[in-house]
Amino acid sequence: EVQLVQSGAEVKKPGESLKISCKGSGYSFTSYWIGWVRQMPGKGLEWMGIIYPGDSDTRYSPSFQGQVTISADKSISTAYLQWSSLKASDTAMYYCARPAARGGLDPWGQGTLVTVSS
Amino acid sequence: EIVMTQSPATLSVSPGERATLSCRASQSVSSNLAWYQQKPGQAPRLLIYGASTRATGIPARFSGSGSGTEFTLTISSLQSEDFAVYYCQQYNNWPFTFGGGTKVEIK
Repeated sequence: EVQLVQSGAEVKKPGESLKISCKGSGYSFTSYWIGWVRQMPGKGLEWMGIIYPGDSDTRYSPSFQGQVTISADKSISTAYLQWSSLKASDTAMYYCARPAARGGLDPWGQGTLVTVSS
Repeated sequence: EIVMTQSPATLSVSPGERATLSCRASQSVSSNLAWYQQKPGQAPRLLIYGASTRATGIPARFSGSGSGTEFTLTISSLQSEDFAVYYCQQYNNWPFTFGGGTKVEIK
């Protein structure tokens, strides 16, 4: 079964750093892109960026360029989303998802809730 | 960046009735359009890809149509489990973008 399993919920203070993870299993991790999607409380889905673990080719949506860093460690089939200095406005649910070969995003991770509050 | 616009924002429908959701792209995305369903507290679930192909395990009451800039998701006879938020997404051009969502609620 193809699966993406994300790390657990985080509570951080403004200015702190954070790295959340997304572990793939059941498929060749280096052969598929993995993307990150933000969902702020009560809001819609926003595409953040995507990485190809095979060669670490990474692309960011303009709104998130410079705000986050996407990386991957293919030796442990894990993608990451990290912040160097969190803001209260980073409070959201973050999902990883794999673009399917035929189109669309499938599967999705279960989501990681990030809460940033002083 | 391609802007995806969904309408209506909220759709009130009685169980057993038909629901029609719309999605418009600011420029052509060919048939590279997906639909997702999201229920409270859950991750989105892929319903439709390629504008009209149902994903694995999706009931036949869900159908998608359209190409270019105009797309439709139709739920032929709403079941209780179908009340949720639905999003369209284009994957023709980077960055891939989502519509704002349509909430389907019980009338």
